[in-house]
Amino acid sequence: KQEVTQIPAALSVPEGENLVLNCSFTDSAIYNLQWFRQDPGKGLTSLLLIQSSQREQTSGRLNASLDKSSGRSTLYIAASQPGDSATYLCVVLYNQGGKLIFGQGTELSVKP
Amino acid sequence: EAGVAQSPRYKIIEKRQSVAFWCNPISGHATLYWYQQILGQGPKLLIQFQNNGVVDDSQLPKDRFSAERLKGVDSTLKIQPAKLEDSAVYLCASSPGVGRTGGRADTQYFGPGTRLTVL
Repeated sequence: KQEVTQIPAALSVPEGENLVLNCSFTDSAIYNLQWFRQDPGKGLTSLLLIQSSQREQTSGRLNASLDKSSGRSTLYIAASQPGDSATYLCVVLYNQGGKLIFGQGTELSVKP
Repeated sequence: EAGVAQSPRYKIIEKRQSVAFWCNPISGHATLYWYQQILGQGPKLLIQFQNNGVVDDSQLPKDRFSAERLKGVDSTLKIQPAKLEDSAVYLCASSPGVGRTGGRADTQYFGPGTRLTVL
């Protein structure tokens, strides 16, 4: 069964800290992996998309890595800010046009 | 470009009542998805349309849930009758669809969702 697991389920850090969110997936034959951000009452926003042939993607203070062989991805957030507070979802696509497999999310709270 | 539109944003009903949600995808997007997200969990795909045809409805509780996309554009999701466990956020997403070149073919764009509370 194809599953995506995220650890931790919740994380609270003081402003300015660097942090890492973890994602693991059971089947390494992925097509791509995305990290989404979800704010209460709003939809999901795609942050970074890593194709299966790539090892990492960067956007501003965010860096996502992909290690297919170990079935893991990490989202690194540098110099966290209160505005980063949200739920972060790791999502795996196994086939082009197929079904997205979502992790349960990590709820991040950055305290001023 | 305009995003995915959903309405209503919030709905409160009593169990055994019926409810319908509406979604208007991004113009030109061939693929439309409905997800159910229960509090504390990731979204679960209910149904996927490619134009007006169903691609995947394996996790749609067909005894009470139905969805249609008659003209291959906007879509409605209906629950009849609702149960307490249907309380969730219902997300609609769209993507350009299979066949487009480049990574964007698989990128899904999500609407704000409809929060349903069943009492």
